[in-house]
Amino acid sequence: AQSVTQLDSHVSVSEGTPVLLRCNYSSSYSPSLFWYVQHPNKGLQLLLKYTSAATLVKGINGFEAEFKKSETSFHLTKPSAHMSDAAEYFCVVSDEITGGFKTIFGAGTRLFVKA
Amino acid sequence: NAGVTQTPKFRVLKTGQSMTLLCAQDMNHEYMYWYRQDPGMGLRLIHYSVGEGTTAKGEVPDGYNVSRLKKQNFLLGLESAAPSQTSVYFCASSYTGTGHEEQYFGPGTRLTVT
Repeated sequence: AQSVTQLDSHVSVSEGTPVLLRCNYSSSYSPSLFWYVQHPNKGLQLLLKYTSAATLVKGINGFEAEFKKSETSFHLTKPSAHMSDAAEYFCVVSDEITGGFKTIFGAGTRLFVKA
Repeated sequence: NAGVTQTPKFRVLKTGQSMTLLCAQDMNHEYMYWYRQDPGMGLRLIHYSVGEGTTAKGEVPDGYNVSRLKKQNFLLGLESAAPSQTSVYFCASSYTGTGHEEQYFGPGTRLTVT
């Protein structure tokens, strides 16, 4: 059965310091994994996605994530946080099931960036 | 290219009232989705459509109905609103339904049921 767990509901960093948002998943087959960002009062926007190609995925705004199958993790990182990174981030797993596919969203991690 | 748009942006309903949320996309996508977002729960799929004239139930369909009469539009209806339906509703679309591609999201509709 599929599931996705974002290990922190809130993360607070200082501007200029690294960001780490953690995501673990479970999947029966070969999933696709996504990170979306949601700024206040906005819709979700794709940051990056993994679809069985390179395990280190680079996304927009300097974010990247590494797919680690042995650890069933897909953590999101950024070397240096910017004030504009303050938002909510969702890890998403999508996988094939009988008759179609299923997409599950994590509960979200809210990132705070301090000046 | 507007992407995915939703109307209205905000709405307050009394228990028992009905309303329709409209989603429109101009990307010629086949698949469209309605989600609700509640604090601490991520997004949950209400209904989806794999093409014009087709709809299917998602994870939390009770109390909602949908229609896809035109490819570019996907309507979500609440026949008799309940306070438990207070939420933020997002529409999304994708070109195919393989699950391996990006979904494009609208800006959301914030609904309060009193």
